[in-house]
This record gives sequence, C-alpha cells and structure tokens, in this order.
Amino acid sequence: GAVVSQHPSWVICKSGTSVKIECRSLDFQATTMFWYRQFPKQSLMLMATSNEGSKATYEQGVEKDKFLINHASLTLSTLTVTSAHPEDSSFYICSADRQGTNTEAFFGQGTRLTVV
Amino acid sequence: QKEVEQDPGPLSVPEGAIVSLNCTYSNSAFQYFMWYRQYSRKGPELLMYTYSSGNKEDGRFTAQVDKSSKYISLFIRDSQPSDSATYLCAMKPGGSYIPTFGRGTSLIVHP
Repeated sequence: GAVVSQHPSWVICKSGTSVKIECRSLDFQATTMFWYRQFPKQSLMLMATSNEGSKATYEQGVEKDKFLINHASLTLSTLTVTSAHPEDSSFYICSADRQGTNTEAFFGQGTRLTVV
Repeated sequence: QKEVEQDPGPLSVPEGAIVSLNCTYSNSAFQYFMWYRQYSRKGPELLMYTYSSGNKEDGRFTAQVDKSSKYISLFIRDSQPSDSATYLCAMKPGGSYIPTFGRGTSLIVHP
C-alpha cells in the first residue's frame, strides 16, 4: 500500500507558541491531502482539505487563521497550529489519496499535540 | 441522526472467536465502503474496501455490504490478541474523495 509519513508523532509545546506538523506522501503524488482531528474515543473530524498550489478548504467551525495549511508540493502538506492553547491538545492525522484514484485514503501515523 | 452509526463498544471476545463489526448509514449515495484498523495513538490503516453491494474476502477478514438495508459488516475469523484495536468504518459517494467515518468500535481479543 501507499505510504504517508507524518512528523512529528508527538509534540509538547507551551501555550501561545506555534507548532508545525508535516505530512508527506512517500511513494505517490497527492494533489489533495486531508487534515483530521480526533478526540479520545471519537471519530475522525475533518478539519480541512489541502490542495496543491491553492488555498485549503476549511470545514465549518474550523478557524483558518489558527490552523494554517500549506500544500506547496505534490508530496508535502503542512498544518501549523498558531498560538496554541490547551484546548488545541488533540490527535491530528493527515491522509492522502493517490492522484487519480477514488478508492482508498492512506493515513499518516498521527501527531499527538499537548499544549501546556 | 448521524450519517454513519457505529457502536463504540468495547467488544470483548476470546482468542479464536469470530468477530462481527457493523455500521449502518442513512445516505443512499454512498458507493464506496471501507474498513480501517486503528491501534492506540496511531493513524488508521486501511483493511478493506468494497464498491457497492457484495462480499469481499482477504485472509481472515470479510467485508460485507448490503445497500438495500444500508448496513455493512466486517467479519474477523480466528481472532487474535493482535487484532485488538479500534475498527472504523468509512464510506463515500462516487466522485468524492472525502469519506464519512463512523466513530469506531473498540475490539479487545483476550488470550
């Protein structure tokens, strides 16, 4: 199967600082990547759709100025949590579809963010 | 009513048991149906996907889709402790890349 790598796998940061999470498709090109947030024992909540070379599309209720998404190449998307607060602590996961397919999404390993 | 309903469990079974995991849905436009396995603190891993109705088998796993009842199942034969994880169903209409996920069922297989 295709490989999506997410980094870091966990991060602890102080309140008010910014954190960047990277999502890379290692063996395929991904024109579209997705960013999810997952709370304990809950399903994946789609935050935004990241499109290579254009602005991300955010889901209702997700602050685009707080969760900055950049998709600069066909293999890399980044999510930056700006001015993080403890309520931003969560598990963030990216996924990517192989270009031209409409079947399965491949997920990164996830990033556990803890804001103290 | 949520678009995809999935019992969160936990479902606890002895090693070797046959496990049945299920999801129901309300959107008749869903065409693609997926099952993901998620270990604690890890990203979901695709197990199976099927298109439209029918069965699909892969080793110990069988995915079943009944579109008339809007009901999908994942069966695990000869369950192992290493199968202990959360299983998420997901589905999407044709032409769309964005799946809708169930909340996941926690499975515990005890030796």
